[in-house]
Amino acid sequence: DTGVSQDPRHKITKRGQNVTFRCDPISEHNRLYWYRQTLGQGPEFLTYFQNEAQLEKSRLLSDRFSAERPKGSFSTLEIQRTEQGDSAMYLCASSSSGDGSYEQYFGPGTRLTVT
Amino acid sequence: RKEVEQDPGPFNVPEGATVAFNCTYSNSASQSFFWYRQDCRKEPKLLMSVYSSGNEDGRFTAQLNRASQYISLLIRDSKLSDSATYLCVVILSGGSYIPTFGRGTSLIVHP
Repeated sequence: DTGVSQDPRHKITKRGQNVTFRCDPISEHNRLYWYRQTLGQGPEFLTYFQNEAQLEKSRLLSDRFSAERPKGSFSTLEIQRTEQGDSAMYLCASSSSGDGSYEQYFGPGTRLTVT
Repeated sequence: RKEVEQDPGPFNVPEGATVAFNCTYSNSASQSFFWYRQDCRKEPKLLMSVYSSGNEDGRFTAQLNRASQYISLLIRDSKLSDSATYLCVVILSGGSYIPTFGRGTSLIVHP
């Protein structure tokens, strides 16, 4: 399967714990995005990388959130000191800037529940 | 005013009907536009890009109206399997490249 993959698919954690999610993009894609989606809403942009450089971060991304893409391949999103309001689906998507289309392809998401 | 707005619906239509959704955007510098389909508890899947001249893919037609700042999606001959949430995405040009999604329009096609 050469699509976008995310791990884990589900995560239940207690408030105050740290969690880390991983995303593996489509191999030839140089852009990688993280989104958060809650029920009844569209995905909200969090951050994106072009290769290993983090080019944009949303105001939604508090200091408790950090993302990395150290070698320009997979990426991790860490949430420190989780709060109940962090419960959501975290989606990763990738695209290629080379073809100019900016079409994004999403992974299956990581559903986070903070108790 | 939100950057990207969609009527959340739901739109309830019988099989075989034609249904259209609109998505308005606030920033006239928006450059790229897309429609995605999202099934319940699944990830969004790219349905089609929206080109300035309009484009068609089978039963689906997407159009862009820059003057009025909206994009549309028309679905002809609706199938039960078209039931889903349809998300529009708008991307600004130049520099900051942040895709903005609408909240989605729910479509229910019934027998």
